[in-house]
Amino acid sequence: AQSVTQLDSHVSVSEGTPVLLRCNYSSSYSPSLFWYVQHPNKGLQLLLKYTSAATLVKGINGFEAEFKKSETSFHLTKPSAHMSDAAEYFCVVSPTLFQGGKLIFGQGTELSVKP
Amino acid sequence: GAVVSQHPSWVICKSGTSVKIECRSLDFQATTMFWYRQFPKQSLMLMATSNEGSKATYEQGVEKDKFLINHASLTLSTLTVTSAHPEDSSFYICSRSRQYTEAFFGQGTRLTVV
Repeated sequence: AQSVTQLDSHVSVSEGTPVLLRCNYSSSYSPSLFWYVQHPNKGLQLLLKYTSAATLVKGINGFEAEFKKSETSFHLTKPSAHMSDAAEYFCVVSPTLFQGGKLIFGQGTELSVKP
Repeated sequence: GAVVSQHPSWVICKSGTSVKIECRSLDFQATTMFWYRQFPKQSLMLMATSNEGSKATYEQGVEKDKFLINHASLTLSTLTVTSAHPEDSSFYICSRSRQYTEAFFGQGTRLTVV
C-alpha cells in the first residue's frame, strides 16, 4: 500500500532562516512525488514535482526538494523564509499503475514565519 | 493562469436545501476529475472520482445519494450536495490529473449550511 507521512504538523521559523518540511513515503513502485502549497481558503498550488528524472528538484519561489530513495524521503527546503511563505504544505504521491491519477496526500504541515 | 475553474468560491445555504458546485477544466478535456473535502486544519479527503459519460466512483463512506456527481461533458463536472445539513459544511475542492502527472486544483468552495 502507498502512504505519505509528513513528520511535522506545524513548523515555525523566523523570516530569513531556512525552512525544512519533512516527508516520507511508502510505495511499491517508483512513485511520482509532489509538494503543494495552500493558502487559507484557497485551492492548492504546485510547488514542485519529482517524476524519476533528477533527484534534486527545484520549484517555484525558491523551494527545492531532494528525492532520496534509500531513505524514502522527499523533504522540502528553502534557504531563506519569507513572510509570504506562511501557509499549509502538502506532500503528495501519485503512486502506482491503475490509479488513474488518484493522489495520496500527507497530513499537511502548517508553516508559520515570524518577523 | 488557472486551468481548473471552480464556482462558487463560497456559498451559504439553509438546512435542507441543495447546492451545486461546478468544476471546469479550462485547457484539457478531462475524462476524469476528482472531488475532495477538507475539514479545518486537515488534509484533503478524496470523496469521489468523476467519470465523463458514466457513473462516479465513490470512496468508502461517502454517501452517493447525498453527494451527487455529474460529468456530462469533457470539461465540466458538478457536485450537488443534496438536503444539506450543518455537518456538510466544509471546503470542497475539485481537481483534474492524469496518471503520473501533477494535479491541478480548483480554487475551492467554502460551503456553510445554516
